[in-house]
Amino acid sequence: DAKTTQPTSMDCAEGRAANLPCNHSTISGNEYVYWYRQIHSQGPQYIIHGLKNNETNEMASLIITEDRKSSTLILPHATLRDTAVYYCIAPSGTYKYIFGTGTRLKVLA
Amino acid sequence: ETGVTQTPRHLVMGMTNKKSLKCEQHLGHNAMYWYKQSAKKPLELMFVYSLEERVENNSVPSRFSPECPNSSHLFLHLHTLQPEDSALYLCASSQEPAVQTGTGELFFGEGSRLTVL
Repeated sequence: DAKTTQPTSMDCAEGRAANLPCNHSTISGNEYVYWYRQIHSQGPQYIIHGLKNNETNEMASLIITEDRKSSTLILPHATLRDTAVYYCIAPSGTYKYIFGTGTRLKVLA
Repeated sequence: ETGVTQTPRHLVMGMTNKKSLKCEQHLGHNAMYWYKQSAKKPLELMFVYSLEERVENNSVPSRFSPECPNSSHLFLHLHTLQPEDSALYLCASSQEPAVQTGTGELFFGEGSRLTVL
């Protein structure tokens, strides 16, 4: 797997955009970037993934730099329910979903 | 509701007991996974099954024994566990093939919280 680096924790005001960065400088050309989040004591939830182009769905947007060495997950209007640990992963081998420590996002009222 | 159901949600067992965790997915996926999450630690990949064959076994002690009778069901048989095995055990499924085609997003169950006394 490409090694990913994320900040340990972040705070965001409710209603504001939450921008969660991820560095994956060793990513190879065919490795997708996946984002998941885990709300306390629940199973992780898939958010979004991408290869080269920016992606958007009903949950979030994913911005991938042109050199693909980093990406940013954007929650456009964070709510208290978005408080969770967010994981960025870039699996290389088939089935090799290795989760790191992620970013603990706290949305403040 | 993710389409992946785990039972039981909570389990307390002694070190000499034998128990099993069950996972069932209703998504038509053909890859299934077991993860372990200890307190304040990242998820650890334990086992992966693809089309009912084990394709990953991440140096897991033999006191954990997986079984995948078909592509919809996955079990984790537990025997002579240690207190340090207390954790949240998470099951997930994905479509085959995963990853390289960008279609390998994992769908997780809610987990089985295991306490070993």
